[in-house]
Amino acid sequence: AQKITQTQPGMFVQEKEAVTLDCTYDTSDQSYGLFWYKQPSSGEMIFLIYQGSYDEQNATEGRYSLNFQKARKSANLVISASQLGDSAMYFCAMRDLDRGSTLGRLYFGRGTQLTVWP
Amino acid sequence: ETGVTQTPRHLVMGMTNKKSLKCEQHLGHNAMYWYKQSAKKPLELMFVYNFKEQTENNSVPSRFSPECPNSSHLFLHLHTLQPEDSALYLCASSLDRGGNQPQHFGDGTRLSIL
Repeated sequence: AQKITQTQPGMFVQEKEAVTLDCTYDTSDQSYGLFWYKQPSSGEMIFLIYQGSYDEQNATEGRYSLNFQKARKSANLVISASQLGDSAMYFCAMRDLDRGSTLGRLYFGRGTQLTVWP
Repeated sequence: ETGVTQTPRHLVMGMTNKKSLKCEQHLGHNAMYWYKQSAKKPLELMFVYNFKEQTENNSVPSRFSPECPNSSHLFLHLHTLQPEDSALYLCASSLDRGGNQPQHFGDGTRLSIL
């Protein structure tokens, strides 16, 4: 079974500082993809960044980067230069890229509530 | 503008009512999904449709009935729901089911069962 663990229910960071949101995953598959989503209080889930299990370099998208450590099965999200608008719930998710019957299924963690203060 | 539109945004209904949730995407995606998000629980996948065909039903009770008339529209028909069905229902779409294609989500319908 797939499993995503986000151990930080809540995180606080001061504006303009960097913050790391933790994510570990459990899978016996060789080919998988890791995603991070942001969910503001409005409810919409916003895709932030993707990392494939075979990607050699850590993914980056603007202020977001993914610290991928395959041997440790961790895929932490790093947000640089935090902004007040970054306050939201952040979800880590994994998709199995091999398994036909459950192809496409995203497994989500419980999320981390990030609060950015001035 | 998310590209995935869900209506209504809020819905309050009694346990004996029948209502439907609507999801629409004009992103040219072929796969569509329904998720349930309850307080303090991970997102739960309910249904997956690929090219209008249901490919996954994640042991969802029959009081939830999905319908996908075409690749752009997805409905969730609700009848005789229970109080524990109160949650945020999210629709998502993706170009296809696999690979590195992210799922794009709507704003959700916040459902309250009286």
